[in-house]
Amino acid sequence: EVQLVESGGGLVQSGGSLRLSCAASGFTFSNYWMNWVRQAPGKGLEWVANIKQDGSEKLYVDSVKGRFTISRDNAKNSVYLQMNSLRVEDTAVYYCAREIVQHFEYWGQGTLVTVSS
Amino acid sequence: SYELTQPPSVSVSPGQTASITCSADKLGDKYTSWYHQKPGQSPVLVIYEDTKRPSGIPERFSGSNSGNTATLTISGTQAMDEADYYCQAWDSRTYVFGTGTKVTVL
Repeated sequence: EVQLVESGGGLVQSGGSLRLSCAASGFTFSNYWMNWVRQAPGKGLEWVANIKQDGSEKLYVDSVKGRFTISRDNAKNSVYLQMNSLRVEDTAVYYCAREIVQHFEYWGQGTLVTVSS
Repeated sequence: SYELTQPPSVSVSPGQTASITCSADKLGDKYTSWYHQKPGQSPVLVIYEDTKRPSGIPERFSGSNSGNTATLTISGTQAMDEADYYCQAWDSRTYVFGTGTKVTVL
């Protein structure tokens, strides 16, 4: 059974940093692109970033470029999102998602990030 | 930037057909996927590559995509289908989600 379990969310002040983790199991992690998608309270879904199987390619939504960094450790079956210079508008539930052929097959349960002013 | 536009809400009676549209320039040239999301839960994939259903998704869910519009159709809608629905596509090295549609089963 495919499982994606996010952790690392919490309350942080504006300008602060946070590192999210996503632990994967039930599939060959190194075979898949992995993504982070977020959802602000009461709002829709927004794709944040993704990373290629070997970590050699990373893409980001414009609003987080230069502030967020996605990475992965295939030996630990984990993907990470380092978030720096956090803003109030980054407040959201952050989901980890497995990607295949331009869609997201599996999603984690999400971790809440709250940025206070 | 590429934008996917959905109606904010759709209402349907139990047993009837609900259609949710997703519109964008030349959307028919791209793969569109659909997700539903119930309150407090993670999104669930219901249609991918325009028309395909993942295993475990009921046959009452179907999709189409042509021109500038993709459509998710729920035939014989059930109360359990009440949820938010999002379309999604890939454009210019970015994933884009639609604005979301709240489906209410009256």
